[in-house]
Amino acid sequence: GAVVSQHPSWVICKSGTSVKIECRSLDFQATTMFWYRQFPKQSLMLMATSNEGSKATYEQGVEKDKFLINHASLTLSTLTVTSAHPEDSSFYICSAKSGNTEAFFGQGTRLTVV
Amino acid sequence: DAKTTQPPSMDCAEGRAANLPCNHSTISGNEYVYWYRQIHSQGPQYIIHGLKNNETNEMASLIITEDRKSSTLILPHATLRDTAVYYCIGAGSNYKLTFGKGTLLTVNP
Repeated sequence: GAVVSQHPSWVICKSGTSVKIECRSLDFQATTMFWYRQFPKQSLMLMATSNEGSKATYEQGVEKDKFLINHASLTLSTLTVTSAHPEDSSFYICSAKSGNTEAFFGQGTRLTVV
Repeated sequence: DAKTTQPPSMDCAEGRAANLPCNHSTISGNEYVYWYRQIHSQGPQYIIHGLKNNETNEMASLIITEDRKSSTLILPHATLRDTAVYYCIGAGSNYKLTFGKGTLLTVNP
C-alpha cells in the first residue's frame, strides 16, 4: 500500500508551548488528509478533514484555534497543537488519500505534555 | 456513516482461519464496508474494502451478505502477527471513517 509518514514519532513538550506534527504522503499525492486523536484504551476520533489548498473542516467539539491544520501541498499536512496542556497528551494519527482510493495511515505521533 | 457492531474480542489458533463478523444493518446503498486493523501503538493498517461483491486480496477476503447488512473478514491462515484490533467501518464518498471499538483478535500459538 501507499506510504504515509508522520514526524515526529513521539514528542515531549512543556505546558504552554506549541508542537507541530507533520504528515507526508511519500509516494502519492494526497488530495485529502485526515487527523485523528486516540486516548489510551479508546478508539480513534476524527478531529478534522483537510483538502489541499483549502481550510480544514473540524469535527464538532474540536477547537480550530487550538489545533491548527495546514495542508499547503499535495504531500504535506501539518497539525500544530497550540498552547499545549497535559490534557492534550494523546496519540495523534493522520491519514491521506488520493481521489477515490482508500486512505492510508501514518504511524502516529505520541504527544506528552508535562 | 453507518453504525457497525463487532464482537469485542475473539481468539484464533495460529494457522487457522480467523473469521471476524460485522453487522452494519443501517448501511446505505453508496457506502462501502472498510476493514482496518491496528496493532498496539501503531497507526491503522488498511486491509480491504467492498461494496456489494465479495473481495479478496493478499491479506484477506471480505464476504458481504446479499442484503449488505453484515460482512465477514477472513484471514485465511492467521499468524501471531495478526493479533490486533480490527475495525469494520461503513463510509461513503466523503470517506470520513468513524472508528468504533473494533474486535481485539488474539492469535494463540
